[in-house]
Amino acid sequence: GAVVSQHPSWVICKSGTSVKIECRSLDFQATTMFWYRQFPKQSLMLMATSNEGSKATYEQGVEKDKFLINHASLTLSTLTVTSAHPEDSSFYICSAQRGLGQYFGPGTRLTVL
Amino acid sequence: AQKITQTQPGMFVQEKEAVTLDCTYDTSDQSYGLFWYKQPSSGEMIFLIYQGSYDEQNATEGRYSLNFQKARKSANLVISASQLGDSAMYFCAMSRAGGTSYGKLTFGQGTILTVHP
Repeated sequence: GAVVSQHPSWVICKSGTSVKIECRSLDFQATTMFWYRQFPKQSLMLMATSNEGSKATYEQGVEKDKFLINHASLTLSTLTVTSAHPEDSSFYICSAQRGLGQYFGPGTRLTVL
Repeated sequence: AQKITQTQPGMFVQEKEAVTLDCTYDTSDQSYGLFWYKQPSSGEMIFLIYQGSYDEQNATEGRYSLNFQKARKSANLVISASQLGDSAMYFCAMSRAGGTSYGKLTFGQGTILTVHP
């Protein structure tokens, strides 16, 4: 149990376009999901906490207008990278909270040309 | 604020031997959780083991055990009988067990483990 999926697994887009990444908890309901960003060979950095039915809580230094988060249901949170630029290229990972644990999706590799 | 420190950027171990990955933490919270995750080259984060701050016994999960020393604020991961498939990046993380920051994970820098045949 506790399976989390992400879609797409990888995406390449042109600079200036927007990209939406979906995070789904497949076999449990998650009122809280988290979005992380990871650069190569570095640690995971928390971007925001996504709460079902309310606004996301962003970490310091993360642009709210650039990284739009929507948690419309108990099983789905989306991250939209708006007007993407090459510096937004990274590995984005979501996780869904269940009890005291977090279960991670497989990640989405974003490359902005 | 919480902080996790992993001082070993890379570790090497011979197949079938045991290895210890170090993790120290800093927090002012009384109640917290400590986690270890494995991240292979595919990128997925695999949960390995959890230790609650009030747990008196060290956590064990198969070949993984967590050496929890609360007074020293350390939570080292011990992998017994290493296998080639254990080669990966390993992250230590902690979270608050309550309050508005409940569930938020703070990660260490990670340790790359390489298992030699």
